[in-house]
Amino acid sequence: NAGVTQTPKFQVLKTGQSMTLQCAQDMNHNSMYWYRQDPGMGLRLIYYSASEGTTDKGEVPNGYNVSRLNKREFSLRLESAAPSQTSVYFCASIPPAGRVDTQYFGPGTRLTVL
Amino acid sequence: RKEVEQDPGPFNVPEGATVAFNCTYSNSASQSFFWYRQDCRKEPKLLMSVYSSGNEDGRFTAQLNRASQYISLLIRDSKLSDSATYLCVVGPRQLTFGSGTQLTVLP
Repeated sequence: NAGVTQTPKFQVLKTGQSMTLQCAQDMNHNSMYWYRQDPGMGLRLIYYSASEGTTDKGEVPNGYNVSRLNKREFSLRLESAAPSQTSVYFCASIPPAGRVDTQYFGPGTRLTVL
Repeated sequence: RKEVEQDPGPFNVPEGATVAFNCTYSNSASQSFFWYRQDCRKEPKLLMSVYSSGNEDGRFTAQLNRASQYISLLIRDSKLSDSATYLCVVGPRQLTFGSGTQLTVLP
């Protein structure tokens, strides 16, 4: 049981490049989330998926797209990276019928856009 | 105004000290309140939920004042291992995170 895994751990992009951040959980959780955390700030919700096949915008969705490929995987795509997207990205999931506070976080992806 | 505001910190305290963190939230409809701990460059982890009647978990005590929209966390007998950033978090549905208060416990 690996919990929530994220790949890659680190990434450097040039402005305008695209990439996909991968997230997977092996705990049979329904809901999955993508957050970003900027220096000195709390986590801000980008997108979430309440169940397989559904996705919804969070607080800061602009510049991002997501795919809930199956129950295990929830990916975040940057189509044209910008320096403002330099951040640490965390994926999280919660168990079925679980309270929102029981979120399990992945280790994060540290992204730098030059 | 931020939805969740915390003491700016940082707090540097000696081992054994008692330290308190405060947090205010703007959404009066908030129903769920939590403290998370985040170690340097790691993912946040739930420290404790905060209940209306207040609650305690070992050396940690959390209080909620709904009328003032205020949450607090008290840490007694601080340990070196308590050094981390403490995030105040509220929801009704999705979690809204404060920017965190950094605590360093000094030997």
